[in-house]
Order: sequence, then structure tokens, then C-alpha cells
Amino acid sequence: QQQVKQSPQSLIVQKGGISIINCAYENTAFDYFPWYQQFPGKGPALLIAIRPDVSEKKEGRFTISFNKSAKQFSLHIMDSQPGDSATYFCAASIAGNTPLVFGKGTRLSVIA
Amino acid sequence: DAGVTQSPTHLIKTRGQQVTLRCSPKSGHDTVSWYQQALGQGPQFIFQYYEEEERQRGNFPDRFSGHQFPNYSSELNVNALLLGDSALYLCASSWGRINEKLFFGSGTQLSVL
Repeated sequence: QQQVKQSPQSLIVQKGGISIINCAYENTAFDYFPWYQQFPGKGPALLIAIRPDVSEKKEGRFTISFNKSAKQFSLHIMDSQPGDSATYFCAASIAGNTPLVFGKGTRLSVIA
Repeated sequence: DAGVTQSPTHLIKTRGQQVTLRCSPKSGHDTVSWYQQALGQGPQFIFQYYEEEERQRGNFPDRFSGHQFPNYSSELNVNALLLGDSALYLCASSWGRINEKLFFGSGTQLSVL
């Protein structure tokens, strides 16, 4: 049973556009939700993370929106650039004490 | 400041063989977690080592075992390799057993023929 469902599987966005990736979770005990970015041949790198006490967190061009009642959270990449082309993973954990559970990933391609 | 380093970067084995993968955590980190990433999938948690003991374990068979050394570096051992063990094996380090702010290495690509 997949605990974190991520969509879409792949995404193509024009340069300067907004990329939106969604995740839904099942376990209401989850309270730490990070997003990781992975380039080919590299390991995942932490991009941004949120806890349920806030509905939105912004760091530069990256924003997480969190909807606790719907058990969903999403990553928004504003002004998408070709350098943002990578695979993005959402994940979830309980108080940072349980192992991260990852979604299956979204392959983002930003085209000029 | 060196990040998480893993060796080797690539490895080819045949079914039934045994393999050992190595990881050095980021400076200042004392906890090492291992993940398996199959092609086109997200990383799956194998186990976590802290204070030289296995603290948490995912849904992996006993063929997967590990070790942590006093300098916090770690090894992942897989016995009786199966074709399905072919994957990217990622090591992640953190501080104090916390699974937040994990720093990942670039991984070891294992191919089982």
C-alpha cells in the first residue's frame, strides 16, 4: 500500500511558467513533508519542507502548499527554468523519527 | 566540507554473489540510513544505523545487512543477490537519528546479471 501518492508522473513546462506537482498521503500521523530534487547520476537533495502548522512555505521560487483536511500538499516552482529540469520527490515522516516515505517521483522538463 | 561519499559508484555482480557497499557520512553527522531506488521509483528505506546499531528497518529480507563503524561510516551488505536487487543504493546521513534534513550521496548503481 503506497502511503504517499505523487502526480503527475511527468511534466513539461515552458520556460518562465509555473510547475505544479501534487502529493496525497494516507497516514494522518505524518507531520513532516519534504520535497527532494534529483538530477541524473546524483542523489536526492532536500529542496524545501513543511509541517502541518502552516499552510504555505516559500523559499525563493519554490513554494509548498499544504491542505491538512484534504491530506494533500503540492510543490509550486515559479518562473521555471531549464536548470530546474530534474525528478522531484515528495516524502513524509512522523516527527522526523520514522523513515521517510517517498512518492514515486515526477520528471520535470522545462523547455525554452 | 565533504558531503556524503559512497563507493563504488558502479558495480556488476551475478546472481548468488555477495556485495558490500560503503558510505562515509557528511562531516558532523552520526546517523546513516540506506535506501534502495529502483529505476523510475522513489527511494525505499532499508535500515538506519546510529551508535553502531541498527535502529530502524524497512521491509527488506535478512539478506540485507549492515554495519556502522566508530567513525560513523557504514557498510551495506547484500547476500545471495537476485536480479531484482539491481538498483541504485543511496546512503543518507543526518544527526541524532532524526530523519529530517537528510543528505544523500550520489549512490552505488548495482547491476545483477
